[in-house]
Amino acid sequence: GQNIDQPTEMTATEGAIVQINCTYQTSGFNGLFWYQQHAGEAPTFLSYNVLDGLEEKGRFSSFLSRSKGYSYLLLKELQMKDSASYLCAVVFVGGGATNKLIFGTGTLLAVQP
Amino acid sequence: DAGVTQSPTHLIKTRGQQVTLRCSPKSGHDTVSWYQQALGQGPQFIFQYYEEEERQRGNFPDRFSGHQFPNYSSELNVNALLLGDSALYLCASSTLRTSGRNTGELFFGEGSRLTVL
Repeated sequence: GQNIDQPTEMTATEGAIVQINCTYQTSGFNGLFWYQQHAGEAPTFLSYNVLDGLEEKGRFSSFLSRSKGYSYLLLKELQMKDSASYLCAVVFVGGGATNKLIFGTGTLLAVQP
Repeated sequence: DAGVTQSPTHLIKTRGQQVTLRCSPKSGHDTVSWYQQALGQGPQFIFQYYEEEERQRGNFPDRFSGHQFPNYSSELNVNALLLGDSALYLCASSTLRTSGRNTGELFFGEGSRLTVL
């Protein structure tokens, strides 16, 4: 299987730090993406990890541990506009010329004043 | 540089009807993936097209079919519509890496919202 698990909902306070976890089955793993999706809009790219470690990009950071099948997205200095769904998506090696990207159910983050 | 474009943006159908959704990939992209996103859920992978062939398929019935044209644009067809097919259908494009494996970032269109009554 290619199960991807992440919390359904989280709540945090403006200015704080929040960590959104994602676990996945490691067989066939070939990279992990985080996407942000505001209500009624298309997902937009946040980060990509293929090697172990932390990738930092401004207020957002993403971490990957391939051996543990684990990733997290860290959001610092939260702003109200960060209220959105955060999607963990894993690239699984395909049988043909291409791989496929499988999404988790998403974590709905609510940032409160 | 146009991004991924999808049409129509909204449509309403009745049970048993057929629908065709269209997608033009981002300039320079050759691979198109289709996803179904129900309200409050993550996108579910339907299938992926590259070189005018279906390369990968998710767990969707044969009622869902597609096509890719020589200009890389793509169509998603759904036959015998069910109420449960009501969802946002997302098209995402990417490009095959020189390594021969598609691990590139997906660029999403705004989606086609289908309502089945």
